[in-house]
Amino acid sequence: EAGVTQFPSHSVIEKGQTVTLRCDPISGHDNLYWYRRVMGKEIKFLLHFVKESKQDESGMPNNRFLAERTGGTYSTLKVQPAELEDSGVYFCASSPKGAGTGVYEQYFGPGTRLTVT
Amino acid sequence: GQSLEQPSEVTAVEGAIVQINCTYQTSGFYGLSWYQQHDGGAPTFLSYNALDGLEETGRFSSFLSRSDSYGYLLLQELQMKDSASYFCAPAGSARQLTFGSGTQLTVLP
Repeated sequence: EAGVTQFPSHSVIEKGQTVTLRCDPISGHDNLYWYRRVMGKEIKFLLHFVKESKQDESGMPNNRFLAERTGGTYSTLKVQPAELEDSGVYFCASSPKGAGTGVYEQYFGPGTRLTVT
Repeated sequence: GQSLEQPSEVTAVEGAIVQINCTYQTSGFYGLSWYQQHDGGAPTFLSYNALDGLEETGRFSSFLSRSDSYGYLLLQELQMKDSASYFCAPAGSARQLTFGSGTQLTVLP
């Protein structure tokens, strides 16, 4: 079974530019999450999709961040325009549907390291 | 507010047993997860406690006491490959995880 994949693995952009990160969850996982770790800080929750619907986006830092999950499969996270403080590692995770405890077992991707200069 | 406390560093030798404690204060608590992370890579799921008590998965066990807002991860028969960062991560009602600074475990030969 393929794991969660993220693209690109690294991205270096200038302040003011736009970057789009992609996440492909494990096939069949309805739940998809975005997290990020900025330098020196903890991993922070950004948002949660259930299929194509945003279940919780309370962690999104501001309106420069836009996440989508078309068709309930892969997801994109767009940062526009990027600022210096957006630099960090962006992780995507997925978990299966259901009300059981298995939904709390989140499988993380390798992350995208974003550097804004 | 929310708070999460675990030791920043733990050192042990191969074959030993180590316990990593975690105290938390979060809103909408559903359960406590534990994750392992090597060198800043993808966090890997280790264990989840929805109810009080002990959960055992191979060499790893995890414990939760909801009344004390406390849990721990127990690693037995330590191996060199267990050297990594370990995070307790309370799960909220929307299934989001809250990560703290983690515990850096160093296993010595």
